[in-house]
Amino acid sequence: EDKVVQSPLSLVVHEGDTVTLNCSYEVTNFRSLLWYKQEKKAPTFLFMLTSSGIEKKSGRLSSILDKKELFSILNITATQTGDSAIYLCATSFTGADGLTFGKGTHLIIQP
Amino acid sequence: DAGVTQSPTHLIKTRGQHVTLRCSPISGHKSVSWYQQVLGQGPQFIFQYYEKEERGRGNFPDRFSARQFPNYSSELNVNALLLGDSALYLCASSWGLNTGELFFGEGSRLTVL
Repeated sequence: EDKVVQSPLSLVVHEGDTVTLNCSYEVTNFRSLLWYKQEKKAPTFLFMLTSSGIEKKSGRLSSILDKKELFSILNITATQTGDSAIYLCATSFTGADGLTFGKGTHLIIQP
Repeated sequence: DAGVTQSPTHLIKTRGQHVTLRCSPISGHKSVSWYQQVLGQGPQFIFQYYEKEERGRGNFPDRFSARQFPNYSSELNVNALLLGDSALYLCASSWGLNTGELFFGEGSRLTVL
């Protein structure tokens, strides 16, 4: 059973659109949730969330965590073709080793 | 400053062979983790090393082993390769244990024929 579930698995939008990517997770011993962007090979860090309801923002990207409902969203506004990538959600759990990743959302931005 | 560096970037092996992948962490980082990413899936945790000791292990068979050297670089070894071992192997470093974000290298693409 998957501990981290991302949706949608793929998404195609037009440049300028706003997108919302979803990540839900199991509750046991939750410590933090992280978002990464993977364009070709190396995932690059976007956000780490540990507290519920506090939005983190970086340019056109923002993310928030809901620890009661066990999910996080990643928003991208005014999308650009350079935003095309796989967006990975990962969680860390106390007592568990390493990060647990979801399958990712493959986002394609059409000009 | 150099990021996480991995070698080789690509390699092709046949079933039953052995492979060694190498990783140099960001300067000052003492923890190295290894992940396997199969096409269409998210990375899956294999090992974490901190201060040259194994501090975490994922659900992988004993054919997989790793070590960390005094300069904090690391090697991942896989014996008796199977077709299913074909994947992108990612190394990530962080300055300590459970310190939040990981910094990933470009990965080593392994193809087993």
